[in-house]
Amino acid sequence: QSALTQPASVSGSPGQSISISCTGTSSDVAGYNYVSWYQQHPGKAPKLMIYEVTNRPSGVPDRFSGSKSGNTASLTISGLQSEDEADYYCSSYTSSTTYVFGTGTKVTVL
Amino acid sequence: EVQLLESGGGLVQPGGSLRLSCAASGFTFSKYAMSWVRQAPGKGLEWVSAISGSGGRTKYADSVKGRFTISRDNSKNTLYLQMNSLRVEDTAVYYCAKVVEGYDSSGPQDYWGQGTLVIVSS
Repeated sequence: QSALTQPASVSGSPGQSISISCTGTSSDVAGYNYVSWYQQHPGKAPKLMIYEVTNRPSGVPDRFSGSKSGNTASLTISGLQSEDEADYYCSSYTSSTTYVFGTGTKVTVL
Repeated sequence: EVQLLESGGGLVQPGGSLRLSCAASGFTFSKYAMSWVRQAPGKGLEWVSAISGSGGRTKYADSVKGRFTISRDNSKNTLYLQMNSLRVEDTAVYYCAKVVEGYDSSGPQDYWGQGTLVIVSS
């Protein structure tokens, strides 16, 4: 199972909105509404931000939102804040009944 | 408060074995599927394995299938990963993670441990 494709880096100024794409195939992203997004600060464990494409766990700010169209899922961060600077990973359920992560995106707040 | 504490990492030679443990607390362990996810130094996340709450259903990434075995002891609230025939490319921080409620085995992970480092080198 190949990793899902994400841009290596995305940047934005405080208060702006940014989007991170996550491209897969019909065997993962396009085939199931089981896409998740994780935030990881340096030296820390990942944190779940979005699951099942659009659902936010309790405690995650509503500035974070998810969507999907075909084989591409997206994470949007609105009102970008300095603490949002981190690595972000998408993941998806696959037709092999396993999970696959994306390549990861470094978000920089300018 | 959910807590996951991994142990058992260390330095091992290629071809060797290691068993990781993850002690869980703060939730009804037997109700939830659990996962192992790894991250090689400076690299991205890689899903490794998952197990159902009862332990009856397990899943593995192709990269570890036949070499790694996931298991759990619900009486001890502990998750395990037995790693055999280790390779240099298995070097990584291994995270134990709780799966979101409602998933049988594979699923998104809502709580993570701090990880344990496994180094495979001669």
